[in-house]
Amino acid sequence: NAGVMQNPRHLVRRRGQEARLRCSPMKGHSHVYWYRQLPEEGLKFMVYLQKENIIDESGMPKERFSAEFPKEGPSILRIQQVVRGDSAAYFCASSPYRGEQYFGPGTRLTVT
Amino acid sequence: TQLLEQSPQFLSIQEGENLTVYCNSSSVFSSLQWYRQEPGEGPVLLVTVVTGGEVKKLKRLTFQFGDARKDSSLHITAAQPGDTGLYLCAGEESGATNKLIFGTGTLLAVQP
Repeated sequence: NAGVMQNPRHLVRRRGQEARLRCSPMKGHSHVYWYRQLPEEGLKFMVYLQKENIIDESGMPKERFSAEFPKEGPSILRIQQVVRGDSAAYFCASSPYRGEQYFGPGTRLTVT
Repeated sequence: TQLLEQSPQFLSIQEGENLTVYCNSSSVFSSLQWYRQEPGEGPVLLVTVVTGGEVKKLKRLTFQFGDARKDSSLHITAAQPGDTGLYLCAGEESGATNKLIFGTGTLLAVQP
């Protein structure tokens, strides 16, 4: 049973470009969470999605960030017009129900 | 805002020693999860504790959830170099979503 998959593992973008981060949850999991880990900071919740629905986006910056979890395919975290402060590790976690969360290996975003 | 403080922040010990990591909050959580994270990887779930006063054992690791479900501890017996890593506690927030509030982390180094 494959774990949570994220790609790309590393992403380099210039300021002003768009970043798309993908997350495929574990088989049978319909709940997806995105967290961000800034350098020298802890993991912070960004958004919680179920298939085709955003349930809680209270941790997501109001501008430039969006997330989706379509009926088919992976969950996508999209960052438009990236800035240096967006450089961080972005982790996706999945859960079969409102319970234990299993994390992917993360995407390290570097904005130059 | 719910916060989780972990102590100590850093710990360097010799192989064979015992240690305890603490995770404290003024808030009550539905459950508490402990993770271990290695450099460049995502957090790996070690255990989930749900009931106040609960104690769970995983080989040389013992996890305890406080009676009031506000704090937790992780005790490692006879530490080994393979235990080296960042230990994170994460409280499941009560409410409509079960997003995780992560602790500040404890970086453990076990010297051979």
